Amino acid sequence: SAVISQKPSRDICQRGTSLTIQCQVDSQVTMMFWYRQQPGQSLTLIATANQGSEATYESGFVIDKFPISRPNLTFSTLTVSNMSPEDSSIYLCSVVRINTDTQYFGPGTRLTVL
Amino acid sequence: AQSVTQPDIHITVSEGASLELRCNYSYGATPYLFWYVQSPGQGLQLLLKYFSGDTLVQGIKGFEAEFKRSQSSYTRRKPTVHWSDAAEYFCAVGAGGTSYGKLTFGQGTILTVHP
Repeated sequence: SAVISQKPSRDICQRGTSLTIQCQVDSQVTMMFWYRQQPGQSLTLIATANQGSEATYESGFVIDKFPISRPNLTFSTLTVSNMSPEDSSIYLCSVVRINTDTQYFGPGTRLTVL
Repeated sequence: AQSVTQPDIHITVSEGASLELRCNYSYGATPYLFWYVQSPGQGLQLLLKYFSGDTLVQGIKGFEAEFKRSQSSYTRRKPTVHWSDAAEYFCAVGAGGTSYGKLTFGQGTILTVHP
């Protein structure tokens, strides 16, 4: 299985600030995604992190609010900008490993916005 | 638009009993189907996946799943539940090709196991 680490594991932030979440994978992967799990709800895909180019966002999510970088095959960041309490969620990194069809999820970053 | 529905938000069973978790979906094409488990403090772990072929799929931890295309359902079963199976279970659907990995999840079913 792919080992995925996320930093930070949790954080409490003030309204109006920004937080950058890091996702590091132990091996090369073809695809990287960012998902959100709001309290008591299911997971929703935010965007696909594309290596060396702009991320592809799903409906309802925009780059200004959730800028994403992916400089190489094993690392990506998601920034939650100008946060409000509605952004309180668990943010999960997800990857598909090269030459496999198995999708893995990271442990998540639990964000609380006050 | 695709959607996934898990009719049971919360299920309680006794240890040793059988378990059935239901999932219904609406999708434009024949989807790829997945079951994930999320234990407290743990990440999501893949239990089962179905792409094509046999409609009865064996997964890890003694789980199996049955895909019924005509009913747009994907039911997951376990004949004997153990206390360690208590967790939240998510059904998800997705597509292949360039959309692979872009999953639509159900609302989840929380499983409680009584001794």
